[in-house]
Amino acid sequence: DQQVKQNSPSLSVQEGRISILNCDYTNSMFDYFLWYKKYPAEGPTFLISISSIKDKNEDGRFTVFLNKSAKHLSLHIVPSQPGDSAVYFCAASAMRTNSGYALNFGKGTSLLVTP
Amino acid sequence: GAGVSQSPSNKVTEKGKDVELRCDPISGHTALYWYRQSLGQGLEFLIYFQGNSAPDKSGLPSDRFSAERTGGSVSTLTIQRTQQEDSAVYLCASSLTGTGPTPLHFGNGTRLTVT
Repeated sequence: DQQVKQNSPSLSVQEGRISILNCDYTNSMFDYFLWYKKYPAEGPTFLISISSIKDKNEDGRFTVFLNKSAKHLSLHIVPSQPGDSAVYFCAASAMRTNSGYALNFGKGTSLLVTP
Repeated sequence: GAGVSQSPSNKVTEKGKDVELRCDPISGHTALYWYRQSLGQGLEFLIYFQGNSAPDKSGLPSDRFSAERTGGSVSTLTIQRTQQEDSAVYLCASSLTGTGPTPLHFGNGTRLTVT
């Protein structure tokens, strides 16, 4: 049962333009959302997070938007750079007594930023 | 500072053999998670350790899988009688625990291939 869904397996964007990666979730108990970036042969690296009490969080070129009513979040990267080319995973969690804040991950979106 | 360290980075084993994967979490991180990523899939939660509490094993796919965490630090994931469907990248993550959620920090993973 996939509780976090990234419906676009890949995305190609020109350098300097905006990249928008989307994520949907089904579990209304999720209250903490994260984006991770993954390069080949490396583990996922934390990028940015947002709590359910907010609808926007910004960190430099990266902004995450959360729409709780639609159970949807998105990651905006602007301006996009070739070094941003990687697989981006959306993740969500809810506090569970036995599993702490174990994350539920989407299947990832592969972003390619072309010069 | 040192991140999460996993060994080996690659492991090829014959079907039916047992394997042990090791994880050294970030010093001071009390929470430790094991995930795996099969080809084309997202990250699948396997097991969670928090301090000296009993682990949450709810994600382990079968009783061939087990994990230990000694002294609240190093963890080993053991797969007995490996099967070809066990082939995946096994990722370990650690995090601080506090009054709210904190990001998980991942190692680079162990790529397991069962022939």
